[in-house]
Amino acid sequence: GIQVEQSPPDLILQEGANSTLRCNFSDSVNNLQWFHQNPWGQLINLFYIPSGTKQNGRLSATTVATERYSLLYISSSQTTDSGVYFCAVEHRATDSWGKLQFGAGTQVVVTP
Amino acid sequence: DAGVIQSPRHEVTEMGQEVTLRCKPISGHDYLFWYRQTMMRGLELLIYFNNNVPIDDSGMPEDRFSAKMPNASFSTLKIQPSEPRDSAVYFCASSLGQGARAFFGQGTRLTVV
Repeated sequence: GIQVEQSPPDLILQEGANSTLRCNFSDSVNNLQWFHQNPWGQLINLFYIPSGTKQNGRLSATTVATERYSLLYISSSQTTDSGVYFCAVEHRATDSWGKLQFGAGTQVVVTP
Repeated sequence: DAGVIQSPRHEVTEMGQEVTLRCKPISGHDYLFWYRQTMMRGLELLIYFNNNVPIDDSGMPEDRFSAKMPNASFSTLKIQPSEPRDSAVYFCASSLGQGARAFFGQGTRLTVV
């Protein structure tokens, strides 16, 4: 199977700070998605980003598929950004099509 | 759109009882997924359907687990008999197309005592 590693595992930010979360994957992927799990447990899809760069408000993401990594940028962080950020990939292997493999997540706490 | 709808939100049951979790995908989505989230194993895919047909159930932990999708707007995940180690949050997700953007329901927190 494919390995998905996220770093750092934990992150504490002061409100207003910027940060970068990283996702490394061990093999070629068809697609990559970033999710935010809020403190109430809801999983929100932030980005569908198999390659390139996308922006959504204060969040942006970049995937460099040839180098097998993706980055999620949080700018001007707010307390509502707290939660766990997951990277998930669909392995290009044919027996993995349609399946999302999740990383272990980065726990983010934004303090006032 | 109301998004993916799961019920119940919370379920507490005694060991040995049957548990049925329910999911309504986003209208028009042709893929439906069941995931389980635990502290030890994280988010793991149990089974997924395409056009109501089960495609891959290799993640189903054992025969006590079964899933059905009788029509495009409804799916169930059943555990019979339930065990304490089944305690977890169970998520349903749907997408439009293979490998497309996945949208998750709010989850069902299952506690087996």
